Amino acid sequence: DQQVKQNSPSLSVQEGRISILNCDYTNSMFDYFLWYKKYPAEGPTFLISISSIKDKNEDGRFTVFLNKSAKHLSLHIVPSQPGDSAVYFCAASAPHSGAGSYQLTFGKGTKLSVIP
Amino acid sequence: KAGVTQTPRYLIKTRGQQVTLSCSPISGHRSVSWYQQTPGQGLQFLFEYFSETQRNKGNFPGRFSGRQFSNSRSEMNVSTLELGDSALYLCASSSGQGAILEAFFGQGTRLTVV
Repeated sequence: DQQVKQNSPSLSVQEGRISILNCDYTNSMFDYFLWYKKYPAEGPTFLISISSIKDKNEDGRFTVFLNKSAKHLSLHIVPSQPGDSAVYFCAASAPHSGAGSYQLTFGKGTKLSVIP
Repeated sequence: KAGVTQTPRYLIKTRGQQVTLSCSPISGHRSVSWYQQTPGQGLQFLFEYFSETQRNKGNFPGRFSGRQFSNSRSEMNVSTLELGDSALYLCASSSGQGAILEAFFGQGTRLTVV
């Protein structure tokens, strides 16, 4: 069962416009969410995160929105730039009982293409 | 500050062989996690080590194992390789404590099993 879902495998956006990447989750124990960006042949790069006690977090051109009741989060990139073209992964974390550790559960990614 | 270093970058192995991958985390980070990335399954959690102890384990067979050394460097071992083990193996480093949960990834080791 896929606990973190990114239902759009790909997205094309014109340069300068807004990119909106969506992510849905099913596990109500998730309390921390992250977005990563990945270029081919490289590891994922951390972009932005949000705790479940917030509904919005902003960092420059990137904003993440969290709707806990809908179990939905989204990443907004404004304005989109050609260098933003990459695969974006949504990830979620739940407290691991007892040991204090955590693991990240990833969606399968959305490939964003920003067209000049 | 140096990032996460994974070696080797590429490996080709034959079915039935075993392989060891290495990961050096960011200085000061005590948590190392391993993930497998395949086109069909995305990124899947293998295990996490903190202070030389495995704290968490994903749903992978016992052929996949790991360890962490006192300097926080970690190794991952896969025995009796199968074709389906071909993947990008990613190591992630984090402080492992407190409210900062961001993990920082290395470039990965591309394993091809033939």
